[in-house]
Amino acid sequence: QKEVEQNSGPLSVPEGAIASLNCTYSDRGSQSFFWYRQYSGKSPELIMFIYSNGDKEDGRFTAQLNKASQYVSLLIRDSQPSDSATYLCAVNAKTSYDKVIFGPGTSLSVIP
Amino acid sequence: DVKVTQSSRYLVKRTGEKVFLECVQDMDHENMFWYRQDPGLGLRLIYFSYDVKMKEKGDIPEGYSVSREKKERFSLILESASTNQTSMYLCASSPPRQTAEKLFFGSGTQLSVL
Repeated sequence: QKEVEQNSGPLSVPEGAIASLNCTYSDRGSQSFFWYRQYSGKSPELIMFIYSNGDKEDGRFTAQLNKASQYVSLLIRDSQPSDSATYLCAVNAKTSYDKVIFGPGTSLSVIP
Repeated sequence: DVKVTQSSRYLVKRTGEKVFLECVQDMDHENMFWYRQDPGLGLRLIYFSYDVKMKEKGDIPEGYSVSREKKERFSLILESASTNQTSMYLCASSPPRQTAEKLFFGSGTQLSVL
């Protein structure tokens, strides 16, 4: 079983719609959860992080965490063409050292 | 802003060559990491370092080594390049241990081994 799983997509949504990106993880001891955005040909950049169960909002982005179900999601409201990118879910796996494990990413395409 | 600089954007090498990938960060971060990114596999951790002269193996260290002689510089070394090391290599740094998860990435080096 992969440690962090995401649907590879591509996920296509019309401009103005809500994009929903999902991620599941296997390590129940994980404490920290991150969403990175990666534009084509560019490096990943951190856009959201969440530590506690529930929702965390930042502008058009909402991260949702459910530790009991071991999933984390990212909602993008009022999606814009500029949101078209690959979104990487990352989880801190508490082993003998702090290590961030990345999922394979979900490609999002926002159609004008 | 944090700046993580990788010395080359594109690199083409031949099988068997020794390859050096350089990474420099300017924010006095303790932690530095080397990842490779391949389609469908995501980012995989090769090596990391929490301090000068310190290194730890990540998930896929075979065929690689690293050097960290100065805090700002973390080098990845391919001792004898092979075609299966063709990949995008990403260097990252992060603040002290308590917030080590917030990674700042360099622009990447696309390495092709022929």
